[in-house]
Amino acid sequence: DGGITQSPKYLFRKEGQNVTLSCEQNLNHDAMYWYRQDPGQGLRLIYYSQIVNDFQKGDIAEGYSVSREKKESFPLTVTSAQKNPTAFYLCASNRDSSLGQPQHFGDGTRLSIL
Amino acid sequence: EDQVTQSPEALRLQEGESSSLNCSYTVSGLRGLFWYRQDPGKGPEFLFTLYSAGEEKEKERLKATLTKKESFLHITAPKPEDSATYLCAVLPLYNTDKLIFGTGTRLQVFP
Repeated sequence: DGGITQSPKYLFRKEGQNVTLSCEQNLNHDAMYWYRQDPGQGLRLIYYSQIVNDFQKGDIAEGYSVSREKKESFPLTVTSAQKNPTAFYLCASNRDSSLGQPQHFGDGTRLSIL
Repeated sequence: EDQVTQSPEALRLQEGESSSLNCSYTVSGLRGLFWYRQDPGKGPEFLFTLYSAGEEKEKERLKATLTKKESFLHITAPKPEDSATYLCAVLPLYNTDKLIFGTGTRLQVFP
């Protein structure tokens, strides 16, 4: 079955450490997204990519970085510059947002600070 | 400013007790409105897309409706397995790169 796979499910970061969250999709979708979810807040967009080798900052990109070298993969790096990284991170994809098609989500990675 | 507001924040229902969840939105042109269901520790699961006022979509005990200012998710005769957080999101017409999410309604259905 097609879907979006996020790994790991749980991740712990030490002070000063960069960590990378994996997101892979086999839906043949062009667009991919990273969101952060905190209790009591709506999902907030970190980065998005509409096509391979191109990506744009979302609303809360500071302290994060991404790459899009393959259509299927959109890894997110949480850098040491992100001072409050504890959150639930969600990856999503869709075929064409301009047509109003829904985004489909993975099952998330929960990041905590050691 | 584009905004999505969901109410109530939390809702407790007895099994079989029908109710509605509200999603009010303010956006300069609507490309689409989306409803998702999210279980604890999981990603949102897509339920419905609504594109224009007057449109309705149904799936099992759920029915979503849309007006020019709000959407309702009606839950008829809910069961305990309907317990989840329901998220509403709006895609603006002028910026289809960015979904705007509400904070969700946490639904608990008791037997």
